[in-house]
Amino acid sequence: DGGITQSPKYLFRKEGQNVTLSCEQNLNHDAMYWYRQDPGQGLRLIYYSQIVNDFQKGDIAEGYSVSREKKESFPLTVTSAQKNPTAFYLCATTEGVEQYFGPGTRLTVT
Amino acid sequence: QKEVEQDPGPLSVPEGAIVSLNCTYSNSAFQYFMWYRQYSRKGPELLMYTYSSGNKEDGRFTAQVDKSSKYISLFIRDSQPSDSATYLCAIPAVGSARQLTFGSGTQLTVLP
Repeated sequence: DGGITQSPKYLFRKEGQNVTLSCEQNLNHDAMYWYRQDPGQGLRLIYYSQIVNDFQKGDIAEGYSVSREKKESFPLTVTSAQKNPTAFYLCATTEGVEQYFGPGTRLTVT
Repeated sequence: QKEVEQDPGPLSVPEGAIVSLNCTYSNSAFQYFMWYRQYSRKGPELLMYTYSSGNKEDGRFTAQVDKSSKYISLFIRDSQPSDSATYLCAIPAVGSARQLTFGSGTQLTVLP
């Protein structure tokens, strides 16, 4: 069953704690992306990676970090420096012009 | 000015209505134009994409691009309650078909 897996679906953290969101894919796609979605604001690009061991900042990278040690995995860490971390986080991969999205993780920080 | 602006909605229509969803963009170099559909609490899925001006039809859905006006539209004919979702226009960055700029989304509700 091919696709993109994001876990967990819901995540709750206290302010000041770092938290890592998982993204795994078995589509054999090279490029992977992290987006943040807030109500009424569409999707905003946090980080992307075109190949293993390489990644670039997107439009809103401050307060986030990523790694790409394996083709299948692109975890996102939301650090305590991120001022407004509560949001819906989406991971995606690309083949051609189409981006495929995972089911998302809803992070709530209180 | 944002690169992609989308009519915010929300939009509520009766079943069977024709729905028009619209976006404008600022960069005349944009070449591909996409529409994604996102059901509540799910990831977006690609609905349609077009490469040039004109219309592209897929069942009840028609994507329209007017490059002279920098205007893109998605029409839904004979709308169904199952069409209730958020619709996002998306445009790949110039020089890269991989980085997408998304509109803010229009939430559509089709009432039975």
